[in-house]
Amino acid sequence: EAGVTQSPTHLIKTRGQQATLRCSPISGHTSVYWYQQALGLGLQFLLWYDEGEERNRGNFPPRFSGRQFPNYSSELNVNALELEDSALYLCASSKGTHGWSQPQHFGDGTRLSIL
Amino acid sequence: KNEVEQSPQNLTAQEGEFITINCSYSVGISALHWLQQHPGGGIVSLFMLSSGKKKHGRLIATINIQEKHSSLHITASHPRDSAVYICAVRDTGNQFYFGTGTSLTVIP
Repeated sequence: EAGVTQSPTHLIKTRGQQATLRCSPISGHTSVYWYQQALGLGLQFLLWYDEGEERNRGNFPPRFSGRQFPNYSSELNVNALELEDSALYLCASSKGTHGWSQPQHFGDGTRLSIL
Repeated sequence: KNEVEQSPQNLTAQEGEFITINCSYSVGISALHWLQQHPGGGIVSLFMLSSGKKKHGRLIATINIQEKHSSLHITASHPRDSAVYICAVRDTGNQFYFGTGTSLTVIP
């Protein structure tokens, strides 16, 4: 069984640009979660998608957005990039619609660097 | 203010020792997860708890809902257990909060 895959592995952007990060969940998983892990900080919850709908979002500005496609893959978009957006962005997937009621499976992350 | 607090922040143990990592939270929760993050960044979900106790091999996780506290125990620790262990909760409003992690080093 293929795990959660994220692309690209690394992404370098400059301030003000836009970044798109992609995530393919494990087959059969309908929920996708996005997290940010900035250097020296803990994980922070960004977004939760299930069955194509945004179920909840964390305390991030609206320039962080995303969507989930009919095949349950997802993309995270970050507009008007700022230096503090530099972080490891992790995607996780799980079965079910009840958010964290099932074990989460994590991808290896996309490291976004803002110059 | 952190909704999830972990202790200790750093822990060094000799191989074979019994290890306990603690997690306290301040919100009403519907689920608690223990995660393991290795130096390369990959995260593995170890346990999902809503009550009681779970055991996988040498790992044991317990939760006390009334006291808002969970513990992760590692018996007969091994150098391959060296990692950052993260406690995470989902509150009753479907928000997710993470502890800052406990960095464990097991010395042979």
